[in-house]
Amino acid sequence: NAGVMQNPRHLVRRRGQEARLRCSPMKGHSHVYWYRQLPEEGLKFMVYLQKENIIDESGMPKERFSAEFPKEGPSILRIQQVVRGDSAAYFCASSPFLDSEETQYFGPGTRLLVL
Amino acid sequence: GDSVTQMEGPVTLSEEAFLTINCTYTATGYPSLFWYVQYPGEGLQLLLKATKADDKGSNKGFEATYRKETTSFHLEKGSVQVSDSAVYFCALRSSGAQKLVFGQGTRLTINP
Repeated sequence: NAGVMQNPRHLVRRRGQEARLRCSPMKGHSHVYWYRQLPEEGLKFMVYLQKENIIDESGMPKERFSAEFPKEGPSILRIQQVVRGDSAAYFCASSPFLDSEETQYFGPGTRLLVL
Repeated sequence: GDSVTQMEGPVTLSEEAFLTINCTYTATGYPSLFWYVQYPGEGLQLLLKATKADDKGSNKGFEATYRKETTSFHLEKGSVQVSDSAVYFCALRSSGAQKLVFGQGTRLTINP
């Protein structure tokens, strides 16, 4: 059973461009979470999605950031008009179902660098 | 709001030394507690977890006990190895919530 897949692993963008980060959850997992890790800091929750639904986006910046998890295909985190402060590692996690004791499994992350 | 505070790093030890990484938390209710490990260039891997007071999580020689009276979940290992060098994150998930709240991480380096 393959783990959580993220691509690209590294992404370089210039200020003002768009960044699209993709996450394929583990097989059988229908819950996806996105976290951001700024340099030398812990991970901060951004958004929690189920198929075709955003459940909790309390950690998402109000502007430029959006996320989706369509019925088919990977979850996408989109950052429009990137700025240098968006440079970070973005991690996706997945879990199989809604259970307070269920483990979240993390992908290897996408490291975004904004020039 | 919920928060996790970890021992400041970096921590450098010699091989076979005893390890403690402190973690305390603030949360309403009865959260689940986790330790994750991040090796260089990789994502986070679950190391151990505990879901109720006095539970002890253990894995690969690491242990942590859920102490509700001191709101702590300190990570310990009796004899560390060079391969344990990584960044360790303490995290909590409040009951009824799905998101994880992480501490800032502690970078551990083990010298041979």
